[in-house]
Amino acid sequence: QKEVEQNSGPLSVPEGAIASLNCTYSDRGSQSFFWYRQYSGKSPELIMFIYSNGDKEDGRFTAQLNKASQYVSLLIRDSQPSDSATYLCAVDTGGFKTIFGAGTRLFVKA
Amino acid sequence: SQTIHQWPATLVQPVGSPLSLECTVEGTSNPNLYWYRQAAGRGLQLLFYSVGIGQISSEVPQNLSASRPQDRQFILSSKKLLLSDSGFYLCAWRREMGQPQHFGDGTRLSIL
Repeated sequence: QKEVEQNSGPLSVPEGAIASLNCTYSDRGSQSFFWYRQYSGKSPELIMFIYSNGDKEDGRFTAQLNKASQYVSLLIRDSQPSDSATYLCAVDTGGFKTIFGAGTRLFVKA
Repeated sequence: SQTIHQWPATLVQPVGSPLSLECTVEGTSNPNLYWYRQAAGRGLQLLFYSVGIGQISSEVPQNLSASRPQDRQFILSSKKLLLSDSGFYLCAWRREMGQPQHFGDGTRLSIL
């Protein structure tokens, strides 16, 4: 059974701090990795994707991938109250399905 | 650009009634299409996916069915709803393997 594991949280950080969200996956052959943000009552929205080992930066967001450790993370710099949401890690293992983690709830305190 | 439309946004149905939720994608051809259900405070449960017209793969045996009558149209149906069918139903598409999925706005279904 291919799995994606995330800490459910909630993760609470003060405004302006760095939020660090982590995810591990079980299928060593996984090739594509995605982060989605889901506000309460809304559908998931893609915010980052990464295919290669290392870091990928987009504005305040940085995705980090370590295939040897089967670990992917999302850093949010200068966290804002508007970043409060559930963050879903998703992994494409090369088949027709994408495996989603259950999500980590993030609260950014003003 | 590509867009995905899903309707209705909310639906309240009595137990035992039928269901039809529709999803269409614009701006792309032969997308992979997906139906998910999300219970309150829970993760995404994959229900069905389709990689082509008339092709449906079912992930969870239940009283739901799906159809893909046209390339960019995906329909979720039930002949007789159960209380346990309540939830947030999400349609998603992606261009091909390895690409991210993109979600519609979802349908919040309440069964009374």
